[in-house]
Amino acid sequence: DVKVTQSSRYLVKRTGEKVFLECVQDMDHENMFWYRQDPGLGLRLIYFSYDVKMKEKGDIPEGYSVSREKKERFSLILESASTNQTSMYLCASSLFGPDPAEQYFGPGTRLTVT
Amino acid sequence: GENVEQHPSTLSVQEGDSAVIKCTYSDSASNYFPWYKQELGKRPQLIIDIRSNVGEKKDQRIAVTLNKTAKHFSLHITETQPEDSAVYFCAATRFKAAGNKLTFGGGTRVLVKP
Repeated sequence: DVKVTQSSRYLVKRTGEKVFLECVQDMDHENMFWYRQDPGLGLRLIYFSYDVKMKEKGDIPEGYSVSREKKERFSLILESASTNQTSMYLCASSLFGPDPAEQYFGPGTRLTVT
Repeated sequence: GENVEQHPSTLSVQEGDSAVIKCTYSDSASNYFPWYKQELGKRPQLIIDIRSNVGEKKDQRIAVTLNKTAKHFSLHITETQPEDSAVYFCAATRFKAAGNKLTFGGGTRVLVKP
């Protein structure tokens, strides 16, 4: 059974703080993703990684960076948090292969920036 | 890049009736179309998917149809039950083994009334 965990369910930070969100998966998946979920906007891809130390920008990378030093761990970094980054953040992972693979999601981190 | 629009944003149906959610996509090269279901307070999970070489796929009470010419695909739920109440997301991608970036629609909140 795939397990994707995220470091916090709820997080409250102040404007300008540096914020780290961590995601860990235990299924040896090559692909890992960070999304933000906002009402009416669905899931929007921030960054993804298909291998250790590899990363690609998604649709809304501005204001975010990522780090993948180990295969199982993918971190999302808000360099200087702003109120418009208040959102639900979801991590996901999937297998690399010749066929489309299901993305397995973590429970989400609800981040509030005040 | 890809753009996916999803309608309706909310859908209320009587238990036992059918529900239909429609999505349109912009990139004619997209070839993989999954649907995810997110129950209240839970993580999104894949419920069904379809590839561009198939026009229809069924799994018990759910089915997905794809019209490549019109660039739209739909989710059909028959004999709806209260446990079908959730937010449903469609997605599209031009699948490749590395970096399978999904573009999601805005979501449809389905409420099944007993």
